[in-house]
Order: sequence, then C-alpha cells, then structure tokens
Amino acid sequence: DSGVTQTPKHLITATGQRVTLRCSPRSGDLSVYWYQQSLDQGLQFLIHYYNGEERAKGNILERFSAQQFPDLHSELNLSSLELGDSALYFCASSEAPSGASYNEQFFGPGTRLTVL
Amino acid sequence: QQPVQSPQAVILREGEDAVINCSSSKALYSVHWYRQKHGEAPVFLMILLKGGEQKGHDKISASFNEKKQQSSLYLTASQLSYSGTYFCGTEIKFRDDKIIFGKGTRLHILP
Repeated sequence: DSGVTQTPKHLITATGQRVTLRCSPRSGDLSVYWYQQSLDQGLQFLIHYYNGEERAKGNILERFSAQQFPDLHSELNLSSLELGDSALYFCASSEAPSGASYNEQFFGPGTRLTVL
Repeated sequence: QQPVQSPQAVILREGEDAVINCSSSKALYSVHWYRQKHGEAPVFLMILLKGGEQKGHDKISASFNEKKQQSSLYLTASQLSYSGTYFCGTEIKFRDDKIIFGKGTRLHILP
C-alpha cells in the first residue's frame, strides 16, 4: 500500500459524458501527478500540481482539467468523453516538486475508465 | 521527448541476467526507473542524477551515461519476482516538474 488513494476504482460511462476522478496523496506529500496509461502508450504524463499550484502540463487534452484543493487532494475532470479516453488513470504523489534526489513518486492503485 | 526503451520485451529463465536500455534525444538531468507488475501500480526502483553515481540495491543496478543521454538497468541473477514492466522516466532539467516515461520493457522470468 503506497498510501495514495484513488476513487473510484472502476468507472463505466458513455461517450459524451463527464467524470471526475479523485486522488488523495500520502500524508505530507505536496505534489500530485496524473498519468494516463493505455496499452500501447505506457505512462503518459498529464499534469502536476504542487501545493495547489499547477506546475507542469503534459499532452493533456483541452477536454481534461484538474485541480488540487487546500487539503491537497486532487481531482481530474474528463469531459465530452470519447472511446479513446478509455484507460487506466494513475495519480502519484511525492514530497518535493521535482528535480530532487528524493523525488520518489508513490502511485495510487489507479482508476480504470471505460467509455462505451 | 519520450525516451526510447529497448528491448520492448524479454523472456529469461530464472538466474539469467538482463539489461534494459533507455535513451533520449535530449540532454538529461535525471533518469527514474519504476517497475509495474501486472494489475498493480508502478513502484519506484531508483533515481540517477546527472553527475551522480551508479546506483543499485540487491541485484538491480543502473547506470547513467550523460554524454550519450542513456541509462541502463541491470538485473543480475533474475528472480521470478522480477517479472513485470519496467519504465524509465526522464527529466531534462533541474526542477523540470515532470517526468516523461518511456513505453516500457516487459520482462518475463520463467522458472
């Protein structure tokens, strides 16, 4: 158990819908990262928040957005869902923003999104 | 910008050695290695920093050649528990605020 929690574990929805994925980081971790994992693309970086502030964006679609709240939990919002959005979504947390030798990321168990 | 991993997949017998390579087209500040077992989340193995030493624990070690923008992960005398997908992730500068992962190398260890 990494100490990072993600809800829900599974989500099945229809095209065009909107969903929210939730992540609670390890106690004391200020950084939250979101990743999308599909079969042929490995771990795709989406976005990074540090203590409520957006720090970096990857190839995140405009239909996707995220935020980190004062209690440090984070939500990833996916809207106008398409079949191709079906994937495993991980969040990870770490103590440091980045670039530090102790920047180990702890991954949550993931949310499996299926868009029908 | 995504690092390239090779091989894509490898099958070994228990006790054999494996090398997984990670290369980038850009100069790198750090390389991160993670292992993901089937149906589980990725788990941290190690970080190598520019100018830092080769790292390792138990029978898994890694090197970082800054000039060649490459890192290699070495698994010695592989055990069944080493099976999984190995990802390298890279940062191109200090405080890059993001790690870009490769597509992974699937490693399967046979008894």
